[in-house]
Amino acid sequence: QVQLVESGGGVVQPGRSLRLSCTASGFTFNDYALHWVRQSPGKGLEWLAVISFNGHTTYYADSVRGRFTISRDNSKDTLFLHMSSLGAEDTAVYFCARARRSVELSSIGDYWGQGTLVTVSS
Amino acid sequence: DVQMTQSPSSLSASVGDRVTITCRASQYISSYLNWFQKKPGTAPRLLIYAASTLQSGVPSRFSASESGTDFTLTISSLQPEDFATYYCQQSYSAPFTFGPGTTVDV
Repeated sequence: QVQLVESGGGVVQPGRSLRLSCTASGFTFNDYALHWVRQSPGKGLEWLAVISFNGHTTYYADSVRGRFTISRDNSKDTLFLHMSSLGAEDTAVYFCARARRSVELSSIGDYWGQGTLVTVSS
Repeated sequence: DVQMTQSPSSLSASVGDRVTITCRASQYISSYLNWFQKKPGTAPRLLIYAASTLQSGVPSRFSASESGTDFTLTISSLQPEDFATYYCQQSYSAPFTFGPGTTVDV
């Protein structure tokens, strides 16, 4: 069955960097675009970034563009989110999610990871 | 960027009630509108995609419609497991923004 498992969350000091990973199984990884979405405590869902199936196309939310980088390693079925210049506003649970259909970039489907908590605090 | 708004921000309802949530896009997004359900401690669940298509496995009491840039999610008879927060999301143009959410509680 399709599984997405995030890792790499934890406590990080303001201004520092952190890399999240999302390891996939149960589907042909390099057929699907992948997204990152987060939810800060007490707040709503915030779409962050998407990467195409082949890694050639990426888009970002305004709030993270220039600070976060989405990437993927299709040889290892793994998605990454490299986050830099972290601030308190980046404290959130971070989810990876698969696109609904193969090759399609924009629509998130029904396969999500369980989320990984990032806490930015000194 | 496309801005999404939702109304109401929260509502109180009882089991068996008909519930309607509205989402509005700041510009034309065709039918590229999705609805998600979110419960604390769990990943979001896709309910509806392409404005009105029910995701496989989602109960038929959920339905959705569109009129221009206005989109509506309806729960025909609220069940105990439906108390949650509902989000619309546009997938027409990046960034693929979510609405602020509507919380349905008792």
